[in-house]
Amino acid sequence: QITLKESGPTLVKPTQTLTLTCTFSGFSLSTSGVGVGWIRQPPGKALEWLALIYWNNANHNNPSLRNRLTITKDTSKNQVVLTITNMDPVDTATYYCARLRSSGVNWFDPWGQGTLVTVSS
Amino acid sequence: DIQMTQSPSSVSASVGDRVTITCRATQDISTWLAWYQQKPGKAPELLMYAASSLQSGVPARFSGGGSGTDFTLTISSLQPEDFATYYCQQANSFPLTFGGGTKVEIK
Repeated sequence: QITLKESGPTLVKPTQTLTLTCTFSGFSLSTSGVGVGWIRQPPGKALEWLALIYWNNANHNNPSLRNRLTITKDTSKNQVVLTITNMDPVDTATYYCARLRSSGVNWFDPWGQGTLVTVSS
Repeated sequence: DIQMTQSPSSVSASVGDRVTITCRATQDISTWLAWYQQKPGKAPELLMYAASSLQSGVPARFSGGGSGTDFTLTISSLQPEDFATYYCQQANSFPLTFGGGTKVEIK
């Protein structure tokens, strides 16, 4: 069974850096073709893809966040870490991590339960 | 960036109704399209991928179609558990993008 779970602070102040960890089980990020991504959803709004990292350490970030994103993996711990610098109240959202459904295709299944991050002073 | 536009943004329907949601891309994405279902307070779940392939475990009343720029998700006979918000996502190129969502509500 594949599971993913997000963890990190629930409240951050404006200008701070957010660090979120996705801890997963049931698969390995050292297996060819595997990838894990981050997606967020502001309250009552649509989904926004943030970043994706593959088994070979290749990665993609959403350029709309203007170089604020870093995604890394720790294969030995079965974790993927997302950092977002210079947080702003508009970054308040539920943050999800999800695995790519299969090799070579960038759609997500399954997803973690999500973690709500509020940005406020 | 490829923009994804869903319509309608919301639809009211009754149990047993046929419901069709459309998703339009601003450029040709072939069949690199997925559909997700999201229930309140829950994470999205993959329904359909490659535009028309049903994810394992998803009921056959769901079907998808289209290619290029225009896509549809159809629920042939709406069931109580289908009331949710549906999102399309293009996987043709980065940045990956989602549609704005379609909320299927009880009439």
